[in-house]
Amino acid sequence: GAGVSQSPSNKVTEKGKDVELRCDPISGHTALYWYRQSLGQGLEFLIYFQGNSAPDKSGLPSDRFSAERTGGSVSTLTIQRTQQEDSAVYLCASSLPSGETQYFGPGTRLLVL
Amino acid sequence: AQKITQTQPGMFVQEKEAVTLDCTYDTSDQSYGLFWYKQPSSGEMIFLIYQGSYDEQNATEGRYSLNFQKARKSANLVISASQLGDSAMYFCAMRLYTGRRALTFGSGTRLQVQP
Repeated sequence: GAGVSQSPSNKVTEKGKDVELRCDPISGHTALYWYRQSLGQGLEFLIYFQGNSAPDKSGLPSDRFSAERTGGSVSTLTIQRTQQEDSAVYLCASSLPSGETQYFGPGTRLLVL
Repeated sequence: AQKITQTQPGMFVQEKEAVTLDCTYDTSDQSYGLFWYKQPSSGEMIFLIYQGSYDEQNATEGRYSLNFQKARKSANLVISASQLGDSAMYFCAMRLYTGRRALTFGSGTRLQVQP
């Protein structure tokens, strides 16, 4: 079956611009996670959605970052007024409601010039 | 807060030999899961193996096994009969069963399999 998909695969933007990153989880997976992977910080948790519950936003680094999940499926991570330190690979993962294992998408490589 | 430590930034292994990648963790919780992921140069994180904190048997998945030593808080990955395609970054991760469900990752080990 189809895995987690993310778009775009690569994004180059100018400092100060807004960007939107999209994640399409595996069908039937109600849990969805966003992580960021950067050279300096390694892999960091950003935000977690589970069904209709309030999302866990505890990992978002600043109020420039936000995410939403529409219809319990597709999620969009938005970064406003991008900064050069936002350059990283943004990874999305999904899992079954009671599942232990998170399955990752291919990531979006963001470069802020 | 939980922490994962991978002390080997890089490892070399000869093709067909076994290799052990080290992982130690720190948590005060009793209920947690431990994971290993592989990240080839393409960038995708590939799930390899899972061990629950209450599992008495070490997890195995094909050529992968997890050497779980709870008292020492270690969860080493053993890859048997290494193949050239095993060359990649390997990440150890942990998730608590209660509270925050996000994965906490180690810094990773880059494995290079030599012919």
